[in-house]
Amino acid sequence: GAVVSQHPSWVICKSGTSVKIECRSLDFQATTMFWYRQFPKQSLMLMATSNEGSKATYEQGVEKDKFLINHASLTLSTLTVTSAHPEDSSFYICSAGTGATDTQYFGPGTRLTVL
Amino acid sequence: KQEVTQIPAALSVPEGENLVLNCSFTDSAIYNLQWFRQDPGKGLTSLLLIQSSQREQTSGRLNASLDKSSGRSTLYIAASQPGDSATYLCAVLNQAGTALIFGKGTTLSVSS
Repeated sequence: GAVVSQHPSWVICKSGTSVKIECRSLDFQATTMFWYRQFPKQSLMLMATSNEGSKATYEQGVEKDKFLINHASLTLSTLTVTSAHPEDSSFYICSAGTGATDTQYFGPGTRLTVL
Repeated sequence: KQEVTQIPAALSVPEGENLVLNCSFTDSAIYNLQWFRQDPGKGLTSLLLIQSSQREQTSGRLNASLDKSSGRSTLYIAASQPGDSATYLCAVLNQAGTALIFGKGTTLSVSS
C-alpha cells in the first residue's frame, strides 16, 4: 500500500515552454502533498506544501508564479514549471501524506531537462 | 534554521562489513527523524522512522538510533551486501510538521 506515482518520469523541453508534472497517491487519500527539488549531488530541498483545496505554501526563495502548484483532489497534485529555463533542470520529487506530521510517501521523481 | 549534516559523504566497503552512517542536526526540536535510501535517478524508499520520543528503531539488518539532545542519529547496517549500494539520506521533520529537512546523503558502495 501507500504508493505514489509521478508522471512523466523524464521530460525534455525547450527553454520558454511550460511543463506539468503530476503526482498521484494511488491507494490512499493524501490531504497533504509536498514538492521537492534535487540538484545533482545535493540534498532534497522542499519547494512547497499543498493541502487539498487550498493554496500551496511556498518555501522562501521559491517563486510561486514560476512553480504553480494545484492540489485539486485528494489523490492528485500538479506542479507546473512555467517558462522553463536551463537552470530549472533538476529532479523533482513529490511526497504525499495524510497529515503534515504523518509518514510521507515519496514518488519516483521526474527528471526535467530544459534545453 | 535547521541544518542536517551527514558524514561521511561517501563510503566504500567490502561485502560483509558492518558499517555506521552518521547524521547530525542543529535544532533538537524535531517531530521525527527518518532514514531513506535513494538509488541513482530514483525516488526515495523509507527505511526507518524514529519518533522524537524514541531512541532507536530496527528493521532487519538496519538499526537506527536517535539522540535528540545531542542532535545525532546513526544508521547501522549489519553484514553489508552489494545490494545495499545506494545513497542514504537522513531527514528531520520539524515539530510543526511543516518541513522535512534533508541531509546531502552518504553514498555507499559495497563491493563483492
